This record gives sequence, C-alpha cells and structure tokens, in this order.
Amino acid sequence: GAGVSQSPSNKVTEKGKDVELRCDPISGHTALYWYRQSLGQGLEFLIYFQGNSAPDKSGLPSDRFSAERTGGSVSTLTIQRTQQEDSAVYLCASSPPGGWLVEQFFGPGTRLTVL
Amino acid sequence: GQQVMQIPQYQHVQEGEDFTTYCNSSTTLSNIQWYKQRPGGHPVFLIQLVKSGEVKKQKRLTFQFGEAKKNSSLHITATQTTDVGTYFCAGDNYGQNFVFGPGTRLSVLP
Repeated sequence: GAGVSQSPSNKVTEKGKDVELRCDPISGHTALYWYRQSLGQGLEFLIYFQGNSAPDKSGLPSDRFSAERTGGSVSTLTIQRTQQEDSAVYLCASSPPGGWLVEQFFGPGTRLTVL
Repeated sequence: GQQVMQIPQYQHVQEGEDFTTYCNSSTTLSNIQWYKQRPGGHPVFLIQLVKSGEVKKQKRLTFQFGEAKKNSSLHITATQTTDVGTYFCAGDNYGQNFVFGPGTRLSVLP
C-alpha cells in the first residue's frame, strides 16, 4: 500500500519568503508527526497531531513555524519569513491508532534550502 | 527537559565484527523505540521496548531496555555491509515529550 508522501521533495527559497510543506499520511493513521533533520544530525521533534488537534506543539522553534491538519488526514507545515538556519530536511511520520506512541512510518522528507 | 544521549557517535567496524550502540535518557521512559536510517533515506522503525529489563531479538539484532527504564542498547552480531546507517533511539517520557537521540553512525568495511 501507499506510504507517507511528502511534497515537494525539494524546495529552494530565498530568505524572507514563506514556504508550505505538505504531508499525506497513510490512510487510517490517526497520529501525525513533523520532525526536522539538519545535515548529519538527529531528528528534532516539531509537532504532533492526534486527529486534527495538536496536543504537543512544544517543538516548534519559533512563531514563524505553524502547522495544521484538516480532516484528520493531510497536514501542512508553514514557515514564514524563512531564515538560512531553517535549511534542513523536514520529515513527516504517521502512526496507526494505539495510543500516544506506536510505530511511526516516515515519509521521504522535504529538503528545504534557504538562500 | 528530557535529554537522550547515544554513544558512540560514530563506529567503524570490519565486516563480521560485532557492534553495540547505547542510549541513555536523563529521565525514566515509558517506552523506547529504535530506528535505522540508511544514507540518503528516511528513518525506518526497528522495534519498541516497553517493559523494564526487556530483551528482544531480530535475527542478528538484540535490543535491551534497562531495569530502570533509563537506558537501552542495540547489539548487532557479525555485522554485514547492509547494516550501514545511522541508528536512532527515541524515548517517550510518559506522554510529556518525545525525544530522539542524536544517533550512532555505523560504517562497515568489507
């Protein structure tokens, strides 16, 4: 079956512009997570959705970052006024019903480059 | 806040040698997960450990969860070139937060 998909796969933008990253989770998965991974680094947790609500937004690095999820499915991560330090791979993961933390299935990521 | 550390940061082994990576949390965890990320790929779930002292095996991989539920280890017996990648642990602090370790990057020389 289809896995988690993310678009675009690559995004190059200029400093100060806004970007929107999209995640399509696996059908039926209720939980959705966003992470950021800088080159050669670990995963930085950004936000977690259970259905359409986001019980944990603690990882969003600044108020330039926001995320929403509609219809319990697709999620978008928006970064306003991008900065060079925002350059990273943004990974989305989803997991099936079963509580706060069960196996997460990762998408291929969006590589964001801010010039 | 909760911190999850992994050692070593890098490990180079000869094919056929064993490999172990250790994960340590500053707080007690309700469970711990392990993921593998191949170069250029995305993390792939390996296993979840929940019980204190739990040991699970997957072929050549052995996972342990410490008695105090603050540390974990992943041991690979007789490494192969297909084991190359970065191994991450991820810990859940009873729903308060969820943190990935920085990972251990394994390279296997043929």
